[in-house]
Amino acid sequence: AQTVTQSQPEMSVQEAETVTLSCTYDTSESDYYLFWYKQPPSRQMILVIRQEAYKQQNATENRFSVNFQKAAKSFSLKISDSQLGDAAMYFCAYRSGGAQKLVFGQGTRLTINP
Amino acid sequence: DAEITQSPRHKITETGRQVTLACHQTWNHNNMFWYRQDLGHGLRLIHYSYGVQDTNKGEVSDGYSVSRSNTEDLPLTLESAASSQTSVYFCASSESGASGNTIYFGEGSWLTVV
Repeated sequence: AQTVTQSQPEMSVQEAETVTLSCTYDTSESDYYLFWYKQPPSRQMILVIRQEAYKQQNATENRFSVNFQKAAKSFSLKISDSQLGDAAMYFCAYRSGGAQKLVFGQGTRLTINP
Repeated sequence: DAEITQSPRHKITETGRQVTLACHQTWNHNNMFWYRQDLGHGLRLIHYSYGVQDTNKGEVSDGYSVSRSNTEDLPLTLESAASSQTSVYFCASSESGASGNTIYFGEGSWLTVV
């Protein structure tokens, strides 16, 4: 079974600085997708960014980018120019190419210091 | 606008009672999921369905059941509520087809078992 590990339960960063959240996963499959979700205090699950395993280019969405290292099974999220609204719980998630269900990591709580 | 709604949003129940959490989506998605969120565990899959009359067990299915009699609804039933089932429950849905399709989440249902 696939597993997703987020080794940083909590992170903090100064406003306007850059922070990187770590995620590793374990799979024997070659076709899969990786996601980062943001969960603010409202508990709403918001998709931040996704990466297809077959794509070598790292995904980017505005201030959010990933460092996808397929051989190392690593999928970190970089948030540039951190803003107060970025404070949330962040979840890394994995989906097999042939399935629809997501496997989540334990989450990282990100605090933004003004 | 299409949406996914959960009810009730908050519920307190007693140990041993049967509880049903409702999930209704208006996207006409074939795939529906139930997750629970607990501190330190992220979101864990309880049950999922890929279409009418189809149900499958997830990672933490013991003590839970689902039924899929139509496309729009996937109710989650706790047959005999236990304190260990105190959690936040999320329903989600996605289209069939490409497994990279976005999964949409409901706003969550807070369940307390006393």
